[in-house]
Amino acid sequence: EPEVTQTPSHQVTQMGQEVILHCVPISNHLYFYWYRQILGQKVEFLVSFYNNEISEKSEIFDDQFSVERPDGSNFTLKIRSTKLEDSAMYFCASSRQGEQFFGPGTRLTVL
Amino acid sequence: RKEVEQDPGPFNVPEGATVAFNCTYSNSASQSFFWYRQDCRKEPKLLMSVYSSGNEDGRFTAQLNRASQYISLLIRDSKLSDSATYLCVVSIYSSASKIIFGSGTRLSIRP
Repeated sequence: EPEVTQTPSHQVTQMGQEVILHCVPISNHLYFYWYRQILGQKVEFLVSFYNNEISEKSEIFDDQFSVERPDGSNFTLKIRSTKLEDSAMYFCASSRQGEQFFGPGTRLTVL
Repeated sequence: RKEVEQDPGPFNVPEGATVAFNCTYSNSASQSFFWYRQDCRKEPKLLMSVYSSGNEDGRFTAQLNRASQYISLLIRDSKLSDSATYLCVVSIYSSASKIIFGSGTRLSIRP
């Protein structure tokens, strides 16, 4: 069964550093998403991406964040100048229409 | 008012019991509705979509009441493996892309 994959599973970084989180969505899916979940809190929508551009973004997704689909398979989230409060699980998801399927997440720890 | 509201629980019930979860949403333009489950430190996994006519999948039954902006999930004959957090998810159909998660309801099934 096809699935969304994410790498790395855990990323530790120093405050102020840039990180790139990687995702490979399911191959015939058209919509791609990033979410974050701070420990003990709810899943929060960050951004959605369709047809090679951002289609929606939340107020969390400020200039610190960017997304890219550099080739036909990868979908990345870049966080510039990380802050302590960026520590969270970051989930990538993809959908063909409607139902979204999530990757296993990347746990980001900012020290 | 929260966009998607759920009783946080936890619900602690014996194996074999029937459990009901409720969810309300505030945006009347919401188009698609889902229940996801999330195990501790794992990604959300789609449990079922929720249709206006109501739908059933084995021990799970989902209902939607658009007039009251209310969604429910019923689990019959609960199993130990049903222990998880159940997330009510609503899609605001603008470009089929904005998804709002409820905070989730924790369910614990005891032997």
